Amino acid sequence: SQELEQSPQSLIVQEGKNLTINCTSSKTLYGLYWYKQKYGEGLIFLMMLQKGGEEKSHEKITAKLDEKKQQSSLHITASQPSHAGIYLCGAGSGGGADGLTFGKGTHLIIQP
Amino acid sequence: KAGVTQTPRYLIKTRGQQVTLSCSPISGHRSVSWYQQTPGQGLQFLFEYFSETQRNKGNFPGRFSGRQFSNSRSEMNVSTLELGDSALYLCASSLLPGNSYNEQFFGPGTRLTVL
Repeated sequence: SQELEQSPQSLIVQEGKNLTINCTSSKTLYGLYWYKQKYGEGLIFLMMLQKGGEEKSHEKITAKLDEKKQQSSLHITASQPSHAGIYLCGAGSGGGADGLTFGKGTHLIIQP
Repeated sequence: KAGVTQTPRYLIKTRGQQVTLSCSPISGHRSVSWYQQTPGQGLQFLFEYFSETQRNKGNFPGRFSGRQFSNSRSEMNVSTLELGDSALYLCASSLLPGNSYNEQFFGPGTRLTVL
């Protein structure tokens, strides 16, 4: 079964600084999703990446998919307190089966 | 457009009881997936329904079941509750079935506590 490993597990960043979160898959990625979760709440959809080399941006968040390395990265520029939360990567299995597999998440804390 | 709604938001039950959770997908979405989130195991896939049919099921015991109605609303049921069933239950809706290339939108979740 597919496994997704996220790094780092937690991150404390000073407001205004840039940061990167990584997601590495044990198998070929067929669609990679990034979500943000506030503690104990639902997941907020950020981006979906489909093709190797694809890069998407939304406001100050940029995500890339490196299909060869079975890896994706999420980069936040000039972090703000509103960026704090848990970032989760999820991936499909390619056959439409078994739902999405998720990483354990990266806990991001923004220090003012 | 209204998002995914889940009811109730919080639930407290005792061991041995059963519980039913409800999920209303985004209007027009026909696929509903359910996930369990715990601190130890993270987010785990329970099952997916599309057009009232269960398409996929995760690795959970038969105590976990679900169904989908003709209006795409879905319910999941857990019978004979155990302490380990305490979790945040999330549902996600998407326009199409499958998981590889469909944007999935999650609801706020139902927090179930089993005492």
